[in-house]
Amino acid sequence: SYELTQPPSVSVSPGQTARITCSGDALPKQYAYWYQQKAGQAPVLLIYKDRERPSGIPERFSGSSSGTVVTLTISGVQAEDEADYYCQSVDSTPLFGGGTKLTVL
Amino acid sequence: EVQLLESGGGLVQPGGSLRLSCVVSGFTFTTYAMSWVRQAPGKGLEWVSAISAAAGSTYYADSVKGRFTISRDNSKNTLFLQMNSLRDDDTAVYYCAKDFRSSWFFDFWGQGTLVTVSS
Repeated sequence: SYELTQPPSVSVSPGQTARITCSGDALPKQYAYWYQQKAGQAPVLLIYKDRERPSGIPERFSGSSSGTVVTLTISGVQAEDEADYYCQSVDSTPLFGGGTKLTVL
Repeated sequence: EVQLLESGGGLVQPGGSLRLSCVVSGFTFTTYAMSWVRQAPGKGLEWVSAISAAAGSTYYADSVKGRFTISRDNSKNTLFLQMNSLRDDDTAVYYCAKDFRSSWFFDFWGQGTLVTVSS
């Protein structure tokens, strides 16, 4: 069955750029979505349809797609961005990646 | 303001049943598909089930098919998840989530309700 693969962890210093990847064979044909989940909180939609940002999401969050890999980029990382990040796509039904823990050093 | 409020979680023995509810406000409930997504302790997100806006179609993850039933009462702005034959690995926080225009992704989530299956 189809899987979405994310790195378990990414670390970055404040002010730097963090890139979180998500790979999956169907990503060239299906959109990807990104969620942020802070400790003890519900997920929040960050990016939809590979690169669109919902209203209220800061411009430092952006998405891109290239072949079987989609990337969430966080520019000028802030301490408050420390969280788990999940990609999601569709394989007849919704499918989530395993999640990436972003640590702000 | 969009709000989703889950309830009904708790401790249940293996083989038991629970019914989760999610009351929503701030949007036209009858227009949107809805889903349940769960998260086992310390683990990632797992989609569980979805229901179309008019409740004509339902969908289930293989892990819960035949044991869980999703439903909705559009007159009461409420989503349900009936969970039967519960197993230890059903232990998780269960979130209800609003589908964005039936596109299989989720623009609003509730705060979740914890289901613990244990003897």
